[in-house]
Amino acid sequence: SQQGEEDPQALSIQEGENATMNCSYKTSINNLQWYRQNSGRGLVHLILIRSNEREKHSGRLRVTLDTSKKSSSLLITASRAADTASYFCATASSYNTDKLIFGTGTRLQVFP
Amino acid sequence: AAGVIQSPRHLIKEKRETATLKCYPIPRHDTVYWYQQGPGQDPQFLISFYEKMQSDKGSIPDRFSAQQFSDYHSELNMSSLELGDSALYFCASSSSWQGATNEKLFFGSGTQLSVL
Repeated sequence: SQQGEEDPQALSIQEGENATMNCSYKTSINNLQWYRQNSGRGLVHLILIRSNEREKHSGRLRVTLDTSKKSSSLLITASRAADTASYFCATASSYNTDKLIFGTGTRLQVFP
Repeated sequence: AAGVIQSPRHLIKEKRETATLKCYPIPRHDTVYWYQQGPGQDPQFLISFYEKMQSDKGSIPDRFSAQQFSDYHSELNMSSLELGDSALYFCASSSSWQGATNEKLFFGSGTQLSVL
């Protein structure tokens, strides 16, 4: 990956459980974004957190950002089978805001 | 609401052939990004355009070229195709008034290119 690692690479849980995915990055960032991708489909934006923010919520999603550790986490609460997808973090560098760099992604499987 | 439109959805080519992928951004979006995603891989940035000018370039082979036209649609031209070019190619757009990546990107459904 151009940016860093996400862990775990794969996660299997039961419906109703919470899912936590982590992302690390290498450079100073302007913002960090999380995207979801169903198999073979386009990426859908979930949430954007700016470098001066520490936590953000959107529905069942909670994102944290620790710029000192260059890491972020995505928490999906009360997961559903429809949450099954790959989740990617992407960063916009402080030095070059003309592109997003994606992490390696976490494949989430939620069993009914 | 209109989304990012990519065509074709699927494309099958032979080695050494040429392919052209098209992207129509969301109306009033003036920034376009191209990404390549191999099987099981993360999306890799190829190139971006703002107001019809190239704004950034990533790991794009010299065999590839792209441009953005006056109506803001973009085309990715790929020549001398190799087996390793088989991948899902995504286009994304954004409106740049907040800064090119200071806001979310809207992705198309992608073009699945298979090189045989």
